[in-house]
Amino acid sequence: AQTVTQSQPEMSVQEAETVTLSCTYDTSENNYYLFWYKQPPSRQMILVIRQEAYKQQNATENRFSVNFQKAAKSFSLKISDSQLGDTAMYFCAFMNYGGSQGNLIFGKGTKLSVKP
Amino acid sequence: GAVVSQHPSWVICKSGTSVKIECRSLDFQATTMFWYRQFPKQSLMLMATSNEGSKATYEQGVEKDKFLINHASLTLSTLTVTSAHPEDSSFYICSARERVTPLHFGNGTRLTVT
Repeated sequence: AQTVTQSQPEMSVQEAETVTLSCTYDTSENNYYLFWYKQPPSRQMILVIRQEAYKQQNATENRFSVNFQKAAKSFSLKISDSQLGDTAMYFCAFMNYGGSQGNLIFGKGTKLSVKP
Repeated sequence: GAVVSQHPSWVICKSGTSVKIECRSLDFQATTMFWYRQFPKQSLMLMATSNEGSKATYEQGVEKDKFLINHASLTLSTLTVTSAHPEDSSFYICSARERVTPLHFGNGTRLTVT
């Protein structure tokens, strides 16, 4: 069974600085997707970034980028130029590429606080 | 873009009553929808996978007779919490898949059982 581990329950960063959230996962599959979701106090799940395991290039979305290390099964999220609106829970998630119906397996989350 | 509508956003009910939560895909067809439960300050846990036209697949430990799932059309799945008790109070979120990815989430339903 796949597992996702986020070892940082809480983190804080000063506005405009950079922060990295850690995520490791365990799977025997070769093809899969990895995601970072943001959940603000409204509790809406917002997709931040996704990575296909077969792609070596790290995904980037504006201020958000990932460091995907497939051999190490590591998938960290870097937030540059942090903004107050980035304050939220961040969940790392795993999804099998094929042979499944597409359910996500979530880590326990990291609560990020951006301080002015 | 694709949107998933979940209704109601919050509900308060008395112990012993049943509550129905709806999850609709508004501009795409979703053959599969997923129901998650989230306790305060915890992660999302998959409860069941809802398949259009067939029985739902429940995760281990989830009572299928208590959490009834119906996926009668390609755009609607419902979760009914039957004979609700205070321990069923939680945040319930649905999601639907458009092609392979991404998964689209509803806004969630906060259920409080008094």
